[in-house]
Amino acid sequence: EVQLVESGGHLVQPGGSLRLSCAASGFTVSSNSMGWVRQAPGKGLEWVSVIYAGGTTYYADSVKGRFTISRHNSNNTLDFQMNSLRPEDTAVYYCARVTSISWSYYFDYWGQGTLVSVSS
Amino acid sequence: QPVLTQPPSASASLGASVTLTCTLSSGYSDYKVDWYQQRPGKGPQFVMRVGTGGIVGSKGDGIPDRFSVLGSGLNRYLTIKNVQEEDESDYHCGADHGSGSNFVFGGGTKLTVL
Repeated sequence: EVQLVESGGHLVQPGGSLRLSCAASGFTVSSNSMGWVRQAPGKGLEWVSVIYAGGTTYYADSVKGRFTISRHNSNNTLDFQMNSLRPEDTAVYYCARVTSISWSYYFDYWGQGTLVSVSS
Repeated sequence: QPVLTQPPSASASLGASVTLTCTLSSGYSDYKVDWYQQRPGKGPQFVMRVGTGGIVGSKGDGIPDRFSVLGSGLNRYLTIKNVQEEDESDYHCGADHGSGSNFVFGGGTKLTVL
């Protein structure tokens, strides 16, 4: 059974840093593509970042240069380093596995999310 | 990039049918859309993908036969027949724009079961 469990979210001041982690079970993170999607309070989903099985990474313009996605293969986890945090980064962050049909991608399994609050 | 538009709310009586709509912006009529169900306080769950020819690929794990999709022009539809209490959720549509380098989502529709 595929399971994703996020951790690491908490209250941080503007300009601060945070590292999120997503523990996977039921599949191997290093052999799959993974992503982060966030949801601000009362809002819709917003894609943030993706890392493909081959190592290629992409970021939304809103976080480019501040956030870094990576994999920790020995722990079978997905990590997310968030620097220079802003109040508008406040959201629940979901880890999701990425799969594809004919080179068109979607998120087939999601975690329960971890809350990041950026406020002074 | 495409904009996906969803009505913010919908309602259906227990046992009735309801159709949720996701509308792509002009020029993107060939796009496939993914539907996700998000129960209160939970992470989203993949429902299924839809193009103009209907379902693309398979449904997500545990998605009942009561859920179906259709696509026409710029609209992508998710229909739920015999609506149950457990179907009360937020439903999001999303699309891959750029072969996996960019993803967009609609604002979501909150389905209330009466």
